[in-house]
Amino acid sequence: QKEVEQNSGPLSVPEGAIASLNCTYSDRGSQSFFWYRQYSGKSPELIMFIYSNGDKEDGRFTAQLNKASQYVSLLIRDSQPSDSATYLCALEGAQKLVFGQGTRLTINP
Amino acid sequence: DAGITQSPRHKVTETGTPVTLRCHQTENHRYMYWYRQDPGHGLRLIHYSYGVKDTDKGEVSDGYSVSRSKTEDFLLTLESATSSQTSVYFCATMGGVGADTQYFGPGTRLTVL
Repeated sequence: QKEVEQNSGPLSVPEGAIASLNCTYSDRGSQSFFWYRQYSGKSPELIMFIYSNGDKEDGRFTAQLNKASQYVSLLIRDSQPSDSATYLCALEGAQKLVFGQGTRLTINP
Repeated sequence: DAGITQSPRHKVTETGTPVTLRCHQTENHRYMYWYRQDPGHGLRLIHYSYGVKDTDKGEVSDGYSVSRSKTEDFLLTLESATSSQTSVYFCATMGGVGADTQYFGPGTRLTVL
């Protein structure tokens, strides 16, 4: 049984700072990892995916994967109030995704 | 949005009645999924489909059935709705061979009284 753990938060970060979201997983064989953002009352939308160890950058977002330690992180630089949302970590296996519970992030102006 | 629609978007029903939720996609994606989302539980997989007439159970399948008679449509049926099935239901799709990114529909909020 694959498991994905996230701190449910809420995580409060001042505007302009770096928000750091973390996720750990139990299955060492997992290869593909995803970060989704979900605004209140809306559906999850894909932010980033990462397959290889190390960092992957896309604009203000950086995903970090460490397979040896079994964690994946999402950094949001220059945080904006519009980044306030729940962030879901997921891993893929056998054409299915397993999601963490999500971390609620609040960016304070 | 990968061309995914869900209907109805909101529904209130009574305990013991059957309910069918519909997911329709225009991307010709092979895989389709039904999730429920509840506070404290995140997204949990109910059933999924890997092709027309090919379906399998997820982690919370009891009380639910699915059907997929066409590539574009995936139906979720609550055979006899219970209050514990009050939730937000999301449909998702995933593309062809080598693709592992899921895209979500707008969701259906179901209340069982």
